[in-house]
Amino acid sequence: ETGVTQTPRHLVMGMTNKKSLKCEQHLGHNAMYWYKQSAKKPLELMFVYSLEERVENNSVPSRFSPECPNSSHLFLHLHTLQPEDSALYLCASSQEGSAGELFFGEGSRLTVL
Amino acid sequence: GENVEQHPSTLSVQEGDSAVIKCTYSDSASNYFPWYKQELGKRPQLIIDIRSNVGEKKDQRIAVTLNKTAKHFSLHITETQPEDSAVYFCAAKSGTYKYIFGTGTRLKVLA
Repeated sequence: ETGVTQTPRHLVMGMTNKKSLKCEQHLGHNAMYWYKQSAKKPLELMFVYSLEERVENNSVPSRFSPECPNSSHLFLHLHTLQPEDSALYLCASSQEGSAGELFFGEGSRLTVL
Repeated sequence: GENVEQHPSTLSVQEGDSAVIKCTYSDSASNYFPWYKQELGKRPQLIIDIRSNVGEKKDQRIAVTLNKTAKHFSLHITETQPEDSAVYFCAAKSGTYKYIFGTGTRLKVLA
């Protein structure tokens, strides 16, 4: 596998469920991101991890909990979500300190019933 | 807070014509301006970028121009083809990790 891979690609969950989104980057990058993509809105940055330390947390509700066990993996744990949380969740990575270009995964389409 | 305005939100052009998408940013510290193309159900992919020390960059049918004084940057696609149909996003980066994205432009190239 190359680039940034995300699983699952599609997820339907009830408001009381607990689920996790997974992201893996094969680019040797030192930073990983979670973005939320909703219709007709700009991409919203949720979290950034650099070398496994969280460096950005953009006032995201606590029902979203990130985890970065190593520089290649990033998780987003989901708990008691709301219907308005339905969106495409994009993972990205970059190599900060050089070009810094963002490489995105294919996204996880989340539907909260 | 910082923002990036992108226009138009939708754009339809005839095949072979040119398309221009414009963005305006607010943070004068922004120094890197990428453009992403996102096809339906696919990931956003970087198609071209420009840094603040350059005024124009071209890659085949795609070009980007930057006016730092006016805080404007634009994407130009010439000789459009049906496969250019997608949503295009601009972004401005100011500082490590800090990308601010535009709201996207849906481009339709009519055959």
